[in-house]
Amino acid sequence: QSALTQPASVSGSPGQSITISCTGTSSDVGGYNYVSWYQQHPGKAPKLMIYDVSNRPSGVSNRFSGSKSGNTASLTISGLQAEDEADYYCSSYTSSSTFVFGTGTKVTVL
Amino acid sequence: EVQLEESGGGLVQPGGSLRLSCAASGFTFSSYWMHWVRQAPGKGLVWVSRSNGDGSTTNYADSVKGRFSISRDNAKNTLYLQMNSLRAEDTAVYYCARAPMGRSIDFDYWGQGTLVTVSS
Repeated sequence: QSALTQPASVSGSPGQSITISCTGTSSDVGGYNYVSWYQQHPGKAPKLMIYDVSNRPSGVSNRFSGSKSGNTASLTISGLQAEDEADYYCSSYTSSSTFVFGTGTKVTVL
Repeated sequence: EVQLEESGGGLVQPGGSLRLSCAASGFTFSSYWMHWVRQAPGKGLVWVSRSNGDGSTTNYADSVKGRFSISRDNAKNTLYLQMNSLRAEDTAVYYCARAPMGRSIDFDYWGQGTLVTVSS
């Protein structure tokens, strides 16, 4: 199972919006509405930010939103803040009853 | 408070074995799917395995199938990962993670991880 494709890095200024893409296949991202997104700060465990493509767990800021079109899912962070600087990973359920993560995107707040 | 604490990592030679443990507290362990996810130094997350609440259903990534085995002891609130025939590419921090109630998908709580180094 190949990793989902994400851009290596995305940057933005405070207050701006950025979008991270996550491209898979019809056997994973395109086949199920089971895409989730995780934020990971250096040396820390990942944190669930979005599940089922566009749902936010309790306690996650509404500045984070998710969507999907075909085989590509997206995470948008609006009103970018310094604390959003981290690595972000998408994940999808697959047709093999397994899971696949994305390659990861480093978000830099300029 | 939900807590997951991994242990059992360390240095092991190629071809060797290791058993990781994940002690869970703060929730009804037997009611939740549990996962193992790993992360090689400086690299991305990779899903490894999952188990349903009673251990009767398990799945594995192709890269570990036949070498790793996930199990759980619900009386001890502990998840295990038995790793055999270890290779250099298995070197990583191994996290245990819980799926949300009623789901097997997503990982809503994570431990802090335990480092496994496979080297001669």
